[in-house]
Amino acid sequence: GAVVSQHPSWVICKSGTSVKIECRSLDFQATTMFWYRQFPKQSLMLMATSNEGSKATYEQGVEKDKFLINHASLTLSTLTVTSAHPEDSSFYICSARIPVSYNEQFFGPGTRLTVL
Amino acid sequence: KQEVTQIPAALSVPEGENLVLNCSFTDSAIYNLQWFRQDPGKGLTSLLLIQSSQREQTSGRLNASLDKSSGRSTLYIAASQPGDSATYLCAVGAYSGAGSYQLTFGKGTKLSVIP
Repeated sequence: GAVVSQHPSWVICKSGTSVKIECRSLDFQATTMFWYRQFPKQSLMLMATSNEGSKATYEQGVEKDKFLINHASLTLSTLTVTSAHPEDSSFYICSARIPVSYNEQFFGPGTRLTVL
Repeated sequence: KQEVTQIPAALSVPEGENLVLNCSFTDSAIYNLQWFRQDPGKGLTSLLLIQSSQREQTSGRLNASLDKSSGRSTLYIAASQPGDSATYLCAVGAYSGAGSYQLTFGKGTKLSVIP
């Protein structure tokens, strides 16, 4: 199957700093990528849909000024958590969609963010 | 708003047993349904994808069925192995009124296969 990578896999930061997470599709071009967050023992919640070359679409309740998404190329989307606070600590997972494969989504390995 | 429910939340079985995981969804206007596996602290691995027009998909020891009209899907695992221990997530794919496609996830079933 298609491979999606994320970097970093694990990050600890101080409250008030910004953290950038990268999501890359390694062997295919992804016009659409998705960002999810997952709290312990909870399911994945969609944060935003990222389309290459255009602004991301955010889900209700997700602050677009806090979670900046950039999808500058067909293989890279980035999520920046600005002025992170402890409540932003979570597991962030990206996915990429292959439209020609019935919209099947392939997921990255996730990034564990801990804000002190 | 689509809601996806998975039952049971946790399941423990002895090695070699066949088992069924259940998934139900409230809105039958779906495009597809995917089953994923998630190991602790890891991302998701896609297991099977069923299109809304299909009834089932098979991959190795896994078989997933879909009954769109009743809002149900099952994942059947044959001859379970300890390596099958993980959380299994069901996700329903659909297009919103605005034309965007997204997955809605259930909370998962945590499977433990005892050697």
